[in-house]
Amino acid sequence: GENVEQHPSTLSVQEGDSAVIKCTYSDSASNYFPWYKQELGKRPQLIIDIRSNVGEKKDQRIAVTLNKTAKHFSLHITETQPEDSAVYFCAATQYSSASKIIFGSGTRLSIRP
Amino acid sequence: EPEVTQTPSHQVTQMGQEVILRCVPISNHLYFYWYRQILGQKVEFLVSFYNNEISEKSEIFDDQFSVERPDGSNFTLKIRSTKLEDSAMYFCASGVDRAAYEQYFGPGTRLTVT
Repeated sequence: GENVEQHPSTLSVQEGDSAVIKCTYSDSASNYFPWYKQELGKRPQLIIDIRSNVGEKKDQRIAVTLNKTAKHFSLHITETQPEDSAVYFCAATQYSSASKIIFGSGTRLSIRP
Repeated sequence: EPEVTQTPSHQVTQMGQEVILRCVPISNHLYFYWYRQILGQKVEFLVSFYNNEISEKSEIFDDQFSVERPDGSNFTLKIRSTKLEDSAMYFCASGVDRAAYEQYFGPGTRLTVT
């Protein structure tokens, strides 16, 4: 089955700097890659996603890239702000199969003022 | 905006007891899921449910677990005889379609087994 690896497990960046979180997946059948932000004690919230027919997607300060050949995908947050502090999870699944979402192990992002 | 709701928000139970976690999915949704998250760890898939039957289940979802949609609104997860390692946050999710991007998560139930 699918396995998603995520790095780093913790990341501390200066406010205003960029943060990058990287993931790899194992199942070539996976074609949908959502990213979730989870604040302490709250539900995971979808912040951006990318499908396998696209190499990059951007939404304001957040961008995701996907390399299907290498089975790598990454989250980039630019101009980080204190409210970006949270745990971020990458995930992989199949877009239209009512399939389980397989989550990575999470990255705790801290923004230093 | 409609949301998935879950009750209770926190459940404390003794080892060996049965617990039922309840979820009310968004009303026109047809696909239902349970996930769990042990404190400080990743979210793990437990089971998916469609058309009144289990579509898929993980290796975590053993004979101690069961799911049910007893009426038109609730979706429940039952743990027959709880173990200490069942302590976790349990998230229900629902989707109107089979598309994974349409899985909406509930706020979770924190289960503590003592």
